[in-house]
Amino acid sequence: GDQVEQSPSALSLHEGTGSALRCNFTTTMRAVQWFQQNSRGSLINLFYLASGTKENGRLKSTFNSKESYSTLHIRDAQLEDSGTYFCAARNNAGAKLTFGGGTRLTVRP
Amino acid sequence: DMKVTQMPRYLIKRMGENVLLECGQDMSHETMYWYRQDPGLGLQLIYISYDVDSNSEGDIPKGYRVSRKKREHFSLILDSAKTNQTSVYFCASSLAGASDYTFGSGTRLLVI
Repeated sequence: GDQVEQSPSALSLHEGTGSALRCNFTTTMRAVQWFQQNSRGSLINLFYLASGTKENGRLKSTFNSKESYSTLHIRDAQLEDSGTYFCAARNNAGAKLTFGGGTRLTVRP
Repeated sequence: DMKVTQMPRYLIKRMGENVLLECGQDMSHETMYWYRQDPGLGLQLIYISYDVDSNSEGDIPKGYRVSRKKREHFSLILDSAKTNQTSVYFCASSLAGASDYTFGSGTRLLVI
């Protein structure tokens, strides 16, 4: 079946720094969605992309369907950015989102 | 405020009891979903509903059934709960076709 491989599985950043999270797909996906799961367990929608790049504040995401990957860039990390980040992708066949295993991000002072 | 609401937030049941998890949305989304999340894992799809009385199995439907009698409500039923169904259950909804998902806050179910 569809596979969504997310890396890294864990990431530690100092406040003010940045990094990138990545998802690779084993089949052609038509859209990707990125979520942050906060300390209360809620899934917060960050981006939905069918192609190209979107930016929102300190976050930027890119989806390349042809090369089967998506990235989420975080810059100027803040303590409240800590949490687990999930990518999820939808293939051409239907509505289902297949989730990656998540990246646990810890932002340290 | 457009949202997906799940009830209850927390639930403890004994093995063998029946469990009803409820989900509602106020966005008139056609498609609704039930996922479960286990520690250290991503979310796994249990069932999809494309509209009223139009439900399909997801990746892990065994031990679950669903009911959708109104577009805005989607229920997950566990007949005779098992301890391995202890999990966090998330409901979501989306418009038909290519559209982003909106998730509820989850129901934390403990089966003892």
